[in-house]
Amino acid sequence: SQQGEEDPQALSIQEGENATMNCSYKTSINNLQWYRQNSGRGLVHLILIRSNEREKHSGRLRVTLDTSKKSSSLLITASRAADTASYFCATDFTGTASKLTFGTGTRLQVTL
Amino acid sequence: KAGVTQTPRYLIKTRGQQVTLSCSPISGHRSVSWYQQTPGQGLQFLFEYFSETQRNKGNFPGRFSGRQFSNSRSEMNVSTLELGDSALYLCASSTTQANTEAFFGQGTRLTVV
Repeated sequence: SQQGEEDPQALSIQEGENATMNCSYKTSINNLQWYRQNSGRGLVHLILIRSNEREKHSGRLRVTLDTSKKSSSLLITASRAADTASYFCATDFTGTASKLTFGTGTRLQVTL
Repeated sequence: KAGVTQTPRYLIKTRGQQVTLSCSPISGHRSVSWYQQTPGQGLQFLFEYFSETQRNKGNFPGRFSGRQFSNSRSEMNVSTLELGDSALYLCASSTTQANTEAFFGQGTRLTVV
């Protein structure tokens, strides 16, 4: 079963706007990761935030983690059409990436 | 560095048959994990192999099995296929280092008819 929920399930924005996705999880974690999936293909790793970190940036991505609320958010700034994809959060209990538990995913559509 | 390679990319099988999927991890990665993705259940962990041993297992019936070879390549097998086994099967490889990401293959799309 999945660790938690992501919301919204779907998000449609225009190019240049910011996109925010939220993820909730249920138990303690070592880290939380975000992945992107294009049209039912493989997942691509975007960013990893450790349990003792609160915020992390990578290019146009900003991730926050609130372990007291068991939640995380992913912000994509200045969205592009190429950002159209499904985004998943994944929690890692093992300390390695050998057994990830994924959220339900957010489908992002960026229109011109 | 070559990525994770999964073969075949697409498969169509009949109910009751069995199927074997293959995954070649990134060179140097000893951990190989398998996931099933369906519209209804999302991404679910099947099992993980490390140094030819199954180290973690998800909540799937015994019809789902796997193995890992000495070169870290892995196979998963599904016997007595059911319609509900239709899914995208993803393989991921990773190192033993803490707080690192998993690298995914493009997946095998299995359709059971």
